[in-house]
Amino acid sequence: GAVVSQHPSWVICKSGTSVKIECRSLDFQATTMFWYRQFPKQSLMLMATSNEGSKATYEQGVEKDKFLINHASLTLSTLTVTSAHPEDSSFYICSARVGVPTEQFFGPGTRLTVL
Amino acid sequence: SQKIEQNSEALNIQEGKTATLTCNYTNYSPAYLQWYRQDPGRGPVFLLLIRENEKEKRKERLKVTFDTTLKQSLFHITASQPADSATYLCALDTSGTYKYIFGTGTRLKVLA
Repeated sequence: GAVVSQHPSWVICKSGTSVKIECRSLDFQATTMFWYRQFPKQSLMLMATSNEGSKATYEQGVEKDKFLINHASLTLSTLTVTSAHPEDSSFYICSARVGVPTEQFFGPGTRLTVL
Repeated sequence: SQKIEQNSEALNIQEGKTATLTCNYTNYSPAYLQWYRQDPGRGPVFLLLIRENEKEKRKERLKVTFDTTLKQSLFHITASQPADSATYLCALDTSGTYKYIFGTGTRLKVLA
């Protein structure tokens, strides 16, 4: 149980385009979902916290107009990277949680490469 | 400033030995601390959670200690196996917000 999926697993796009990444909790309803990005050999950096039906809370320094998060249901959250640029290339990982203070269940990640 | 530090150097140990990984933090007062395992190109997998009022937690070959005075957590893997080779991340909640901040991770390699 407690499986989180992400789609796509990797994407290559041209600079200036927008990319949507989906995060789904497959066998449970997540009260909260988180979005992280990870650069090579670095740790996970929290980008935003998302609760179903409400606006996401962004971490300091994360542009909310660039990284659009929609949490439409208890099993689905999406991250849209708008007008992507090469510096947005990274590994994006979502996680989902049921209640507190339980563990987070992570998705497999999405590798974004912007040319 | 707030900081979470783990051994940045990779840790190599012989199979069968106990691996000990360190997580130190400053300017946080976490109520909970977690340890995760991450394999290359994959998302982290939860291992253990320990509360601030717990000194030690065990799960099979894993043991975590939490010293809020020293602001340190130790993560032990006993009877280590090559399959334990991975990066291990500590994560702590930011003062009871249930929003976890991750350390830099320590890469463990268990040699056969």
